Amino acid sequence: DSGVTQTPKHLITATGQRVTLRCSPRSGDLSVYWYQQSLDQGLQFLIQYYNGEERAKGNILERFSAQQFPDLHSELNLSSLELGDSALYFCASSPRGGATGELFFGEGSRLTVL
Amino acid sequence: KNQVEQSPQSLIILEGKNCTLQCNYTVSPFSNLRWYKQDTGRGPVSLTIMTFSENTKSNGRYTATLDADTKQSSLHITASQLSDSASYICVVSAANAGNMLTFGGGTRLMVKP
Repeated sequence: DSGVTQTPKHLITATGQRVTLRCSPRSGDLSVYWYQQSLDQGLQFLIQYYNGEERAKGNILERFSAQQFPDLHSELNLSSLELGDSALYFCASSPRGGATGELFFGEGSRLTVL
Repeated sequence: KNQVEQSPQSLIILEGKNCTLQCNYTVSPFSNLRWYKQDTGRGPVSLTIMTFSENTKSNGRYTATLDADTKQSSLHITASQLSDSASYICVVSAANAGNMLTFGGGTRLMVKP
């Protein structure tokens, strides 16, 4: 158990809909990272937050947005969903903003868009 | 552009055999390199970290090497077990503002009985 909690574990929805994925980082970790992993693909970095502020942005679509709240949990919002958005979405946390430390990954949220 | 290339993309070995996975990177300036193990449908878990001054580091049956001159790393698995079946991901951290991580595409290892 990494200490990172993601909900929901599974989500099935239709094209055009909007969903919110939630992540609670390990206790004391200030950084939260979001990754997308499509079937049989590598991890694609979406966005990083550090202590409530956006720290780095990867290949995140404009239809996607995220935020980190004062209690450090984070939410990833996916809107106008398309079939290609079906993937595993991982959240990871680390103690500091720099990525020299180890990332602790959650178990992921599996999104299926029909 | 920072890149991490892993080879082979996939590998099948028999239980009890050894194998070596490769990681080549062009990340600069280099900070550290981590190997992660990702079981199917699960989140990755760190196996080992290599810093600039380290050549070899072991974690049980896993041994990682780093050649900072040639910008190559390897992960050697000894006496493989069925539970070693997973994807192994090489992640390199750059020592600059933000310490951005660059992920390799992973090597999918299957250990057969």
